[in-house]
Amino acid sequence: EDQVTQSPEALRLQEGESSSLNCSYTVSGLRGLFWYRQDPGKGPEFLFTLYSAGEEKEKERLKATLTKKESFLHITAPKPEDSATYLCAVHTYDEYGNKLVFGAGTILRVKS
Amino acid sequence: DAGVTQSPTHLIKTRGQHVTLRCSPISGHKSVSWYQQVLGQGPQFIFQYYEKEERGRGNFPDRFSARQFPNYSSELNVNALLLGDSALYLCASSTDWGTDTQYFGPGTRLTVL
Repeated sequence: EDQVTQSPEALRLQEGESSSLNCSYTVSGLRGLFWYRQDPGKGPEFLFTLYSAGEEKEKERLKATLTKKESFLHITAPKPEDSATYLCAVHTYDEYGNKLVFGAGTILRVKS
Repeated sequence: DAGVTQSPTHLIKTRGQHVTLRCSPISGHKSVSWYQQVLGQGPQFIFQYYEKEERGRGNFPDRFSARQFPNYSSELNVNALLLGDSALYLCASSTDWGTDTQYFGPGTRLTVL
């Protein structure tokens, strides 16, 4: 069964304290891995797409990397406005067609 | 440019009723997907449509159905509502049905009493 696991479930950081979020996956056929940010009560906001092992993408204080079994979202010198739930999703395919499988997310709180 | 729009924003229904949720994709996007997000969990895939045809289906009962119109907008219908159907329903659009990035709307909050 396709599965996406994110860790930790929650993370509290001080402003400026860098850290990493993990997304591990077991899917029958990976067609892409996506990172989203979600604020409470809102829809997920797209951050990155990664397609192959070794690929890296950067945006401001965020950097996403991909291996054959997991992805990391590195947050460098976070600010309070980076507080949100970070979701990882993998694009795969089964007998019913395409699907995007999400992890449960990591809740990030950055304190000033 | 306008992003993905969804209506209504909030909805309250009682058990056994039927509900219709609507979604308009980003201009130029031909694929729409629907997700259910229960509090504290990640979104769960329900359907994907491209050019009015179903291209993917998640593990949801037949009470859930959807369709896509010629202008690429979409409706999600849920019959015989259960308390457990209370959730945030998200719509996402993409340029095609393959591996393209999906962009999400703000969601419709459905409460079933």
